[in-house]
Amino acid sequence: GQQLNQSPQSMFIQEGEDVSMNCTSSSIFNTWLWYKQDPGEGPVLLIALYKAGELTSNGRLTAQFGITRKDSFLNISASIPSDVGIYFCAGIYSGAGSYQLTFGKGTKLSVIP
Amino acid sequence: GAGVSQSPRYKVAKRGQDVALRCDPISGHVSLFWYQQALGQGPEFLTYFQNEAQLDKSGLPSDRFFAERPEGSVSTLKIQRTQQEDSAVYLCASSLRGPSGNEQFFGPGTRLTVL
Repeated sequence: GQQLNQSPQSMFIQEGEDVSMNCTSSSIFNTWLWYKQDPGEGPVLLIALYKAGELTSNGRLTAQFGITRKDSFLNISASIPSDVGIYFCAGIYSGAGSYQLTFGKGTKLSVIP
Repeated sequence: GAGVSQSPRYKVAKRGQDVALRCDPISGHVSLFWYQQALGQGPEFLTYFQNEAQLDKSGLPSDRFFAERPEGSVSTLKIQRTQQEDSAVYLCASSLRGPSGNEQFFGPGTRLTVL
């Protein structure tokens, strides 16, 4: 089946630093999504990307949909303590009647004040 | 509230028991999804409904897992004869229209522990 490789698995950064994480896939996706999950909660959508090459920002977050449709990155600028959590990439391949949302294994972000 | 709600939030079952997990999607949302999230992993797709029709159940791990959405709103995920490997967080998500390229809103999940 389709798998997403997300890296890094975890990050420890100082408050104010920029963060970058990425996902790659062996399969093509039509849509890339980035979610953040806090403990005991469900994932919350941060950014959605619908076109190859698309670059989208949401406040301090920036994400890009790779040209090959097999990769995406998420950048967080000027990190703050509330950025702590687990970030997941997810892809949707909506072909042949399948609408599965495939998640990466997550990047655990810790911010040191 | 206006979000996706799930109940119970926590469920402990003895091995072999049947369990039923409930999802109340956002009102008016057409699509509903169930995911299973093991500890330290990302969510994994189980099944998808569009209104009351179950269009994709390819992610259900065995025939012990059954999901329904009889009136196109509330959904129930049932697990029969639970096993220890069924221990996980079960997440429900809904989206307004079809699933493709559309934002899925997640509930807080039900944490199932099978002893």
